[in-house]
Amino acid sequence: NAGVTQTPKFQVLKTGQSMTLQCAQDMNHNSMYWYRQDPGMGLRLIYYSASEGTTDKGEVPNGYNVSRLNKREFSLRLESAAPSQTSVYFCASRTGGENEKLFFGSGTQLSVL
Amino acid sequence: QKEVEQNSGPLSVPEGAIASLNCTYSDRGSQSFFWYRQYSGKSPELIMSIYSNGDKEDGRFTAQLNKASQYVSLLIRDSQPSDSATYLCAGGLFGNEKLTFGTGTRLTIIP
Repeated sequence: NAGVTQTPKFQVLKTGQSMTLQCAQDMNHNSMYWYRQDPGMGLRLIYYSASEGTTDKGEVPNGYNVSRLNKREFSLRLESAAPSQTSVYFCASRTGGENEKLFFGSGTQLSVL
Repeated sequence: QKEVEQNSGPLSVPEGAIASLNCTYSDRGSQSFFWYRQYSGKSPELIMSIYSNGDKEDGRFTAQLNKASQYVSLLIRDSQPSDSATYLCAGGLFGNEKLTFGTGTRLTIIP
C-alpha cells in the first residue's frame, strides 16, 4: 500500500519553462490537494479536488493549473515557471467522515532559476 | 494576517519534560483542528485531531481546545529526542475541503 506517490522528488527549471508534477493515491479517497511550503509561510493550498471531475482554487492558485485525471491521479502544471514558484510542493489526499486526515506525499523540491 | 497563528519558535525543552505548543485562530466558525508533525525534509503526518472543547489524550500527546478563547494547544509529556520536529497547527470547518495551516513551531528536545 503506497499511499500518496508524487513525482519527481527534485526538479530544477529555468524561468519560463513548463513542467507537470504528478500525484497518485491508492486509498480510494475522493479529495486531493496540492500545497506549497515556503520558509516562514507554512503550508498554503494551491488547488484542490473534492471529487473526480472537479477542481477548485485554493489560497495561491496563480501560475498553476491542475487536472484530476481520475479518482487516483491529480496533477499540477506550471505553464511558465517563475522564481517565485521555487518551493516544496506536497500532494495530499484526505479521508472523510469523523476521522478526517490528510495523507501527504513525500514532496517535490522545485527550484526555478 | 494569517488565520491560524503559531509561535515559530524554536522551542527547546529538556528530555523528559512537558512540551507545550500553542495555536490561535481567528475564524470563530472553525470546528476542526489538527496537529501535524513534520520532521526536517519529510512530509507532515497527523498526530492529533480535536473537534470539541476540552482535552483529548492519545498516549503522550494531549490536545486542548478552547473555542471561547480561540486557541488550540498540544502537550507532549515525557518529551523524547524523537519528538524534535516542526509542529503544524491546522483548522477549518468540519468536512470543509480547505484547511488553514499555521506556519509551524520548531521544537527541539534537549537530551
